[in-house]
Amino acid sequence: GESVGLHLPTLSVQEGDNSIINCAYSNSASDYFIWYKQESGKGPQFIIDIRSNMDKRQGQRVTVLLNKTVKHLSLQIAATQPGDSAVYFCAETAGDYKLSFGAGTTVTVRA
Amino acid sequence: DTAVSQTPKYLVTQMGNDKSIKCEQNLGHDTMYWYKQDSKKFLKIMFSYNNKELIINETVPNRFSPKSPDKAHLNLHINSLELGDSAVYFCASSQDHVTGELFFGEGSRLTVL
Repeated sequence: GESVGLHLPTLSVQEGDNSIINCAYSNSASDYFIWYKQESGKGPQFIIDIRSNMDKRQGQRVTVLLNKTVKHLSLQIAATQPGDSAVYFCAETAGDYKLSFGAGTTVTVRA
Repeated sequence: DTAVSQTPKYLVTQMGNDKSIKCEQNLGHDTMYWYKQDSKKFLKIMFSYNNKELIINETVPNRFSPKSPDKAHLNLHINSLELGDSAVYFCASSQDHVTGELFFGEGSRLTVL
């Protein structure tokens, strides 16, 4: 199957600044997208999801944007905190029950 | 209480051995999964069970055999371990097989020497 990729493997951000993590996907049939956060030594944790009939969804300090025209997904984190340091994965599914994960972006928050 | 628990957390073994990793979820979910995460952090699905029935079986060597005695448990047995099997194996569960909200365990790090 087609996989979900990420633009940058690492991102360094100053504490208090906003973070933007990007993801490109190639399967035009994908209709459901999710962002996961994985802290060191732990399993991935669901952050936020978005369906293909939406282009923006907001959560607490996080916003996911979906651009189906260019097959691009982004996660914005407002006022980044040290606890936001982790690996972030985008994932997608085309309704075939298989969640495909991208390679991950490692976010490091500088004090 | 841990929602998705897997044991052991660490496993070091020799090539050719057989080993098992156990997983249990207390969330009342219908669907469980096994994912493999390699050294570059890439996560790949291996298997998925929905109400004890296999619904996803990715291209995984048949040395890997999942077993689901009930919908709260999904174990992974690996025969004739190879060096390339070294990875972190994650168990996960979800309410059903169409949601993307998976709840992951903390992982089992397998090292094959």
